[in-house]
Amino acid sequence: AQTVTQSQPEMSVQEAETVTLSCTYDTSESDYYLFWYKQPPSRQMILVIRQEAYKQQNATENRFSVNFQKAAKSFSLKISDSQLGDAAMYFCAYSVRETSGSRLTFGEGTQLTVNP
Amino acid sequence: EPEVTQTPSHQVTQMGQEVILRCVPISNHLYFYWYRQILGQKVEFLVSFYNNEISEKSEIFDDQFSVERPDGSNFTLKIRSTKLEDSAMYFCASSAVREAFFGQGTRLTVV
Repeated sequence: AQTVTQSQPEMSVQEAETVTLSCTYDTSESDYYLFWYKQPPSRQMILVIRQEAYKQQNATENRFSVNFQKAAKSFSLKISDSQLGDAAMYFCAYSVRETSGSRLTFGEGTQLTVNP
Repeated sequence: EPEVTQTPSHQVTQMGQEVILRCVPISNHLYFYWYRQILGQKVEFLVSFYNNEISEKSEIFDDQFSVERPDGSNFTLKIRSTKLEDSAMYFCASSAVREAFFGQGTRLTVV
């Protein structure tokens, strides 16, 4: 069974600084997707960034980037120039790459606080 | 921008009552999902639905739960006889192939 682990229940960062959230996962599959979702206080789940396991290049989306280490099964999220609006719970998630859709397996989440 | 829409946003029900949670997925998506999140815990998969049938379900999705796509646009989750432990945020999601897009959730409170 696939598992996703986020070992940092809480993190904090100063506004405009950089923060890295950690995620590790366990799978026997070779082809899969990894995601970071953001959950603000409204509790809506918002996709932040996606990484395909077959791609060696790390995904980036504006101030958000990932460090994907396939051999180590590590998938960290870096937020640059942190803004107050980045404060939220961040979930790392995994899904197998299938043609028929696939369930997401989530980590426990990391609560990010951004200090002004 | 297309989005997944869930109704109601908050539902309070008596223990033992039936509830139906409604979702309108993104129109060109083919895969539909329900997830739940008990307060303070991680998001858990309940069920996936494709081509008008369940494609996968978790151990949480027992006989008390059912899903339906009654009219080609709505996707519903029914809980037949609610228990206190069913209190949670329920998220509907839909996907084309890769990433799933989530609705804003329905907060279910069982009293």
